[in-house]
Amino acid sequence: GAVVSQHPSWVICKSGTSVKIECRSLDFQATTMFWYRQFPKQSLMLMATSNEGSKATYEQGVEKDKFLINHASLTLSTLTVTSAHPEDSSFYICSARDWGPGRVTGELFFGEGSRLTVL
Amino acid sequence: GENVEQHPSTLSVQEGDSAVIKCTYSDSASNYFPWYKQELGKRPQLIIDIRSNVGEKKDQRIAVTLNKTAKHFSLHITETQPEDSAVYFCAASAGTASKLTFGTGTRLQVTL
Repeated sequence: GAVVSQHPSWVICKSGTSVKIECRSLDFQATTMFWYRQFPKQSLMLMATSNEGSKATYEQGVEKDKFLINHASLTLSTLTVTSAHPEDSSFYICSARDWGPGRVTGELFFGEGSRLTVL
Repeated sequence: GENVEQHPSTLSVQEGDSAVIKCTYSDSASNYFPWYKQELGKRPQLIIDIRSNVGEKKDQRIAVTLNKTAKHFSLHITETQPEDSAVYFCAASAGTASKLTFGTGTRLQVTL
């Protein structure tokens, strides 16, 4: 299937610092990417929809100033957790749809995920 | 918005038995229902999906059924194997381009 790559796969940071997570579609272009958050043994909660060349659309209850999303190109979206606190510790996963020829229409591919631990 | 409920939260079956996971959704506009398998510490992988214009879809040992009237859909795994052990998520969206709302997940354990 299509490849979505996420970096870093894990990061530990001190409280108050900012952390940037990158999400890349390696073999297709993605005008839209989705950022999810997953707590241990829980489901994937959509945080925001990243739109190439425009502002991200945030889900209700997600602080846009806290979780900055930038989608500067058709293959890259970034999530920056600003002034991170221990409660921001979680597994963050990005995803994108590949609409290329031969693909199952709208199939969603996920990155490997990034495990953030804030001390 | 859409709300997806999933049951059971955990399921233990013996190897060779069948496993059934059920989901209900609230938004009648939803018409795309994928199922994902997530192994520990890994990314979710699509295993099968169904659109609202069909009632059942099968792929080898995996099948999904959809009842639009009742707003529920189910995943059926036959002849389970240890490698089927994982967390399974159902999801729903109003169109393949729309955002997905995930169920709460089912932890399937296949024992020898």
